[in-house]
Amino acid sequence: GAVVSQHPSRVICKSGTSVKIECRSLDFQATTMFWYRQFPKKSLMLMATSNEGSKATYEQGVEKDKFLINHASLTLSTLTVTSAHPEDSSFYICSARTTNQPQHFGDGTRLSIL
Amino acid sequence: EDQVTQSPEALRLQEGESSSLNCSYTVSGLRGLFWYRQDPGKGPEFLFTLYSAGEEKEKERLKATLTKKESFLHITAPKPEDSATYLCAVAVDYGQNFVFGPGTRLSVLP
Repeated sequence: GAVVSQHPSRVICKSGTSVKIECRSLDFQATTMFWYRQFPKKSLMLMATSNEGSKATYEQGVEKDKFLINHASLTLSTLTVTSAHPEDSSFYICSARTTNQPQHFGDGTRLSIL
Repeated sequence: EDQVTQSPEALRLQEGESSSLNCSYTVSGLRGLFWYRQDPGKGPEFLFTLYSAGEEKEKERLKATLTKKESFLHITAPKPEDSATYLCAVAVDYGQNFVFGPGTRLSVLP
């Protein structure tokens, strides 16, 4: 089946640093990639949608300057959390899809800001 | 406003005790209803897609059905390894932007 790889799986860093998370579709070319945030025992909240070669579309309330998304190829999207603070600590999950296929998810990145 | 609700919030079953999970939706336009399974600390794993009322899909002990306003995930003779959170998502456009339900946490006791 479709495989989406997300890296790193866990990050612990100091407040003020920037953190980059990678999302790769390993066995298919993704027309669209999605970034979600999930709080404990809560469902997934969509942060942004990105298509290869174009700017990401952010959901209302998501700061585009805070969460930088780059979708440079059909198999790679990155999310950079800039100047991270403790309130940015969360579980971040990416997904990827191609035409007529459902979204397939990565295994998430647990981000902890000290 | 597009909304997806799931019930119950949590469900504990004995091994072999069949049950159903519910996903109700109010959306402007349904472009597919999706069921996922999520284990703790992992991303959701795709289970089923349903597109039209009356449609059914089956996989091992799981069967998903769809009506005009809700979907059911039936679990027949569950095993402890079926314990997980089951998420329902509705695609509201052809770009497959999802609205997720809050999930049902299923625990199957041996």
